[in-house]
Amino acid sequence: GENVEQHPSTLSVQEGDSAVIKCTYSDSASNYFPWYKQELGKRPQLIIDIRSNVGEKKDQRIAVTLNKTAKHFSLHITETQPEDSAVYFCAASPLTTDSWGKLQFGAGTQVVVTP
Amino acid sequence: DTEVTQTPKHLVMGMTNKKSLKCEQHMGHRAMYWYKQKAKKPPELMFVYSYEKLSINESVPSRFSPECPNSSLLNLHLHALQPEDSALYLCASSQGWGPETQYFGPGTRLLVL
Repeated sequence: GENVEQHPSTLSVQEGDSAVIKCTYSDSASNYFPWYKQELGKRPQLIIDIRSNVGEKKDQRIAVTLNKTAKHFSLHITETQPEDSAVYFCAASPLTTDSWGKLQFGAGTQVVVTP
Repeated sequence: DTEVTQTPKHLVMGMTNKKSLKCEQHMGHRAMYWYKQKAKKPPELMFVYSYEKLSINESVPSRFSPECPNSSLLNLHLHALQPEDSALYLCASSQGWGPETQYFGPGTRLLVL
């Protein structure tokens, strides 16, 4: 089955700096890669996603890049603000029959933005 | 309506109690999910319903019993739970069953005493 590794587990950044979180996946058949942000006590919220036919996607201060050959994808947050502090989860959705419809999550990255 | 709602927000139950969690969405989504999330961990998939039929059961103990009365509603019936079942239970929905965006509800925080 799919296995997703996420690094780092914690990330402290100064306000205004950039943050980068990296995930690697094992199943080359995976074709959908969402990123979720979960604030303390809240639901996971989709912040950006990418499909395997696209190499990069941007939405204001957030971008995701995908390298299918190396099987890794990254979340980039620019000009970080205190409200970016949260746990971020990457995920991969494989296309194999026994994994259809499943999201395999990474372990999460705790991001702390200090003023 | 672009949200998934869940009730109750919090639930405390004894190991002999029977309770139910409820999830509702009015986005016309045809796939609905139950996840369990422990503190500082990612969500773990429990069940998937597609077109009101159970499509995936991730070998969940029978003390958890899902039900999908219609395309908008998803229930999780709880019976004889253990303290280690204490967790945040999240419901999610997606347009279809497959590599689709899943939208999560706010969750029910369950404490089993």
